[in-house]
Amino acid sequence: QVQLVQSGAEVKKPGSSVKVSCKVSGGNFSSYDSSWVRQAPGQGLEWMGGIIPIFGAALYAQKFQGRVTITADESTTTVYMELNSLTSEDTAVYYCAGGGPAIHFDSWGQGTLVTVSS
Amino acid sequence: DIQMTQSPSTLSASVGDRVSITCRASQSISSWLAWYQQKPGKAPKLLIYKASSLESGVPSRFTGSGSGTEFTLTISSLQPDDLAIYFCQQYSSYSRTFGQGTKVEIK
Repeated sequence: QVQLVQSGAEVKKPGSSVKVSCKVSGGNFSSYDSSWVRQAPGQGLEWMGGIIPIFGAALYAQKFQGRVTITADESTTTVYMELNSLTSEDTAVYYCAGGGPAIHFDSWGQGTLVTVSS
Repeated sequence: DIQMTQSPSTLSASVGDRVSITCRASQSISSWLAWYQQKPGKAPKLLIYKASSLESGVPSRFTGSGSGTEFTLTISSLQPDDLAIYFCQQYSSYSRTFGQGTKVEIK
């Protein structure tokens, strides 16, 4: 089973950016589909975007187009999610989730709490 | 984007009861549907994929059914450990979307 280990909690000011990492272990990184899913306090799950390294470019949910960047580093088998222009509405737990290409998520990271506060 | 609608939002039942959660898609997604269980403070966990396939290690009291636009997750005999929020998710398109969740409470 693939293991996903995320970076630690972050506290950010409004207007700033945050970059969260997800170390992928135990699978074929190049063909592994890694996505980012966020969950605001007491709310549901929201898919932000994903990447399959062998195909190169990431795909994003329309809501986050232009504000999120997902990248993959094959040398360290790590996926990154950077979110810009943060507001208090971006306060959430951000999960890395993955599986085979374009299918269900059979592995999840432990989650990273991002708090946006002045 | 494909919209996913779950019902009910909250479900309260007794240990041993048979409970069902419904998920409807705004357009046909064939059998490209997964169900996840999320316990408080934890990441979601995959229960069912491709509408009715049980993920390895998941108890057999969980079953999934349906195709097209209407799907059901059934717990045949509710256990105290099943206290959680359950989400459906479509993966008919790469832009995956989730239902809003169903909270299962134990009476």
